[in-house]
Amino acid sequence: AQSVTQLGSHVSVSEGALVLLRCNYSSSVPPYLFWYVQYPNQGLQLLLKYTSAATLVKGINDFEAEFKKSETSFHLTKPSAHMSDAAEYFCAVSLGDNDYKLSFGAGTTVTVRA
Amino acid sequence: GAGVSQTPSNKVTEKGKYVELRCDPISGHTALYWYRQSLGQGPEFLIYFQGTGAADDSGLPNDRFFAVRPEGSVSTLKIQRTERGDSAVYLCASSPIAGGPLNEQFFGPGTRLTVL
Repeated sequence: AQSVTQLGSHVSVSEGALVLLRCNYSSSVPPYLFWYVQYPNQGLQLLLKYTSAATLVKGINDFEAEFKKSETSFHLTKPSAHMSDAAEYFCAVSLGDNDYKLSFGAGTTVTVRA
Repeated sequence: GAGVSQTPSNKVTEKGKYVELRCDPISGHTALYWYRQSLGQGPEFLIYFQGTGAADDSGLPNDRFFAVRPEGSVSTLKIQRTERGDSAVYLCASSPIAGGPLNEQFFGPGTRLTVL
C-alpha cells in the first residue's frame, strides 16, 4: 500500500517570497508522484509529475519539485509567489506501470499576502 | 476539445433518497475514475473503469454505491438510500490510458452532494 503525508494544512506566504510545500510518501515499490492544484470551484489541475526520469521536475507556473528517495520526499517549491498561486495543493502517489489509483495527501491551502 | 464535465454541479437531497451523478470524460479517453473528497481531506479513490467494465471497485464504501459506463464514455455514479455521511464532493477523472507514466488524470470540477 502507498500513502502520502503533507506537512502543514495551511501555508501563508508574502507575494514574492519562496513557496515550499512538503510531501512525504511511503511506497513498497518505486512510485510515480504528482502535485495537483485546485483553484476554487475548479477541478484538480496537474502541476508536475515524477516518473523515474530526472529527479528534479519542472512544472507549470514556475513550480518545481525534487524527488529524494533517501528522504522519501517530493517537496514542491516556487521561487516567487504570486497572488494567483492562492489555492489548495495536493500531493499524490501511484505505484507505477500497473497501478492507476491515485492516493492523495490531505492537501495544503496556500494564501498569499500582498 | 472540452475537459471533463460533471453534472449537476450541486445536488441537495434528503436522507434516504436515491441520486445519480454524471460524468462526461474527455473524448477518446479509455480510463475513467471516480473519487470522493470529504471536507478537509484529499480525494479518495472509489472506482475505475477501463472501457465499459469496472476494473476495480474496491474503493466503493458499501453496496449502496454503484457506477456504470455502458458505452465506454459517459459514466453515472449511483447512490441508493443516501446518508448524511455521503455528503462530499464527487470527482470524476479520465485519462488516455490507465497506469504508467502517461497516467495523467484530468479532473472534472466535481459534484457537491449534500444530504440533509
